[in-house]
Amino acid sequence: AQSVTQLDSHVSVSEGTPVLLRCNYSSSYSPSLFWYVQHPNKGLQLLLKYTSAATLVKGINGFEAEFKKSETSFHLTKPSAHMSDAAEYFCVVSDLRNNDMRFGAGTRLTVKP
Amino acid sequence: DAGITQSPRHKVTETGTPVTLRCHQTENHRYMYWYRQDPGHGLRLIHYSYGVKDTDKGEVSDGYSVSRSKTEDFLLTLESATSSQTSVYFCAISESRAGNQPQHFGDGTRLSIL
Repeated sequence: AQSVTQLDSHVSVSEGTPVLLRCNYSSSYSPSLFWYVQHPNKGLQLLLKYTSAATLVKGINGFEAEFKKSETSFHLTKPSAHMSDAAEYFCVVSDLRNNDMRFGAGTRLTVKP
Repeated sequence: DAGITQSPRHKVTETGTPVTLRCHQTENHRYMYWYRQDPGHGLRLIHYSYGVKDTDKGEVSDGYSVSRSKTEDFLLTLESATSSQTSVYFCAISESRAGNQPQHFGDGTRLSIL
């Protein structure tokens, strides 16, 4: 069975500085990986997905993530944080046989002025 | 945004009462899902549906039942609510169950059981 570990429950950055949200996964088969963002009192919005094509995936709002099979990681980055990036972020894994998605516990991103 | 509407958005009820949450979609997607979100756990799958009248259990299905009589509607029922079922509930939809297909989420229902 697949699983996800988000290594930080809370990350705090200053506006204009880089963002790094870390995610490690475990999967017996070829994984698909997703990052979702959740703003307060809203549902989850898809940021980006990896599905065995290019290992560097670009998403919305300037976010990107790199799939590293040797490290079983799928970290989310953004070069310059904006106040509107403050939210909770979820890393998700599923394998290509089915859509049994497993969510990480989430990382809350705070952006300081 | 995917056309997913959850109702009600907020509900407070008492232990032992029945509760039904509704998810309505306008995308004509075959697959629908119910999750609960609790601090420190991310989202966990309760039940899902792969067609009208076709449903299956997820990771945390005890105490919950579901029904899907129309493609667009997926109902989640707590037959006799308990305080441990206080949570935020999310409905999701997807076009297929292939692992590379993302799911799209509604805005959630915040349920408090006193």
